Amino acid sequence: GAVVSQHPSWVICKSGTSVKIECRSLDFQATTMFWYRQFPKQSLMLMATSNEGSKATYEQGVEKDKFLINHASLTLSTLTVTSAHPEDSSFYICSARAPPGQGVPFTNEQFFGPGTRLTVL
Amino acid sequence: ELKVEQNPLFLSMQEGKNYTIYCNYSTTSDRLYWYRQDPGKSLESLFVLLSNGAVKQEGRLMASLDTKARLSTLHITAAVHDLSATYFCAVQTSGSRLTFGEGTQLTVNP
Repeated sequence: GAVVSQHPSWVICKSGTSVKIECRSLDFQATTMFWYRQFPKQSLMLMATSNEGSKATYEQGVEKDKFLINHASLTLSTLTVTSAHPEDSSFYICSARAPPGQGVPFTNEQFFGPGTRLTVL
Repeated sequence: ELKVEQNPLFLSMQEGKNYTIYCNYSTTSDRLYWYRQDPGKSLESLFVLLSNGAVKQEGRLMASLDTKARLSTLHITAAVHDLSATYFCAVQTSGSRLTFGEGTQLTVNP
């Protein structure tokens, strides 16, 4: 249980184009999803917190107009990198939080997706 | 602002040896996690530590938590090559927010 998927697993795009990444909780409903970015040899940095049916909360320094987040259902959140540039190349990882009553071992634990490798040329 | 610091950041050790990775954090926390990350992969959950004095063990890895000292340790016993990976601790605070340490890159040499 508590499986999170991401699609695509990798994407290469040209500078200036937009890229959408999907994050799905497959066997539980996630009222909250998180988006992280990880540059090579670095730790994970939280970009934004996504709550179903409401606007995402962005971390300081993250441009909300560049990284559009939509959490339209209890099992799907999307991150759109708009007008991508080479400096946006990174490993993007989502996680989904399991609220009480979802049958997972630890309430409020985050379950991580497999990540999406974005390369902007 | 919560700070999470891991020590060491790089660790090269021989098979069969023991070592400990330390994770210090700056404010009170709901719980602490340890994760493993292999190159090019996402995070694999290792341990969830919920309370002061918590100790968990899985195979050659053992994690402990001292909330008064704001310190968690990940102890490696008789290391094997398969343990080579990057290990992260992460502290959870209100709203389920996770703050990660810098990561410890472990290399176990034959």
